[in-house]
Amino acid sequence: GQQVMQIPQYQHVQEGEDFTTYCNSSTTLSNIQWYKQRPGGHPVFLIQLVKSGEVKKQKRLTFQFGEAKKNSSLHITATQTTDVGTYFCAGFTGGGNKLTFGTGTQLKVEL
Amino acid sequence: NAGVTQTPKFQVLKTGQSMTLQCAQDMNHEYMSWYRQDPGMGLRLIHYSVGAGITDQGEVPNGYNVSRSTTEDFPLRLLSAAPSQTSVYFCASSYSIALFTGELFFGEGSRLTVL
Repeated sequence: GQQVMQIPQYQHVQEGEDFTTYCNSSTTLSNIQWYKQRPGGHPVFLIQLVKSGEVKKQKRLTFQFGEAKKNSSLHITATQTTDVGTYFCAGFTGGGNKLTFGTGTQLKVEL
Repeated sequence: NAGVTQTPKFQVLKTGQSMTLQCAQDMNHEYMSWYRQDPGMGLRLIHYSVGAGITDQGEVPNGYNVSRSTTEDFPLRLLSAAPSQTSVYFCASSYSIALFTGELFFGEGSRLTVL
């Protein structure tokens, strides 16, 4: 079945440093979504990418979908303590209604 | 507008007991799903439904049953609880049956411990 892996599993940064998490799928994706889960909370939708090579920005967050639509990345510029949480990618292969989540990257930001 | 409501928030069971996790949404979403979250394993899909009367299996369906008698409700039943079912369970819904056009809205989660 489809597998979606994320690296790294954990990342500790100093406030102001940049952060990147990478998402890799074993199969080609129709789209990819990104979610953020604060500690003790539930996942919240951030963005969806659909087109090959697509790049989208939300303030300090930059999302990219790979040319082959099998990988994606989330880059945060100048992290803040409010960025703390676990970031998940989730891929949809089409032909069904199953959204497969990645393993997640837990981000901790230290002052 | 409450969104997705899950009950209970916490539950402790003994091995072999059965229970139902409730999920209700008031957004008239056709799509509803159940995920379990375990450390280092992300969110794994248990069962999902694309509308009333229609359910299907996800990645880890064994030991769980679901039904969808109304658009609003999607309960998850544990038939005979096992320690391996200790997890945090999330219910999620979407206005779009085809997920490539929709996002998931999650409930706050139900933390289940099986002793």
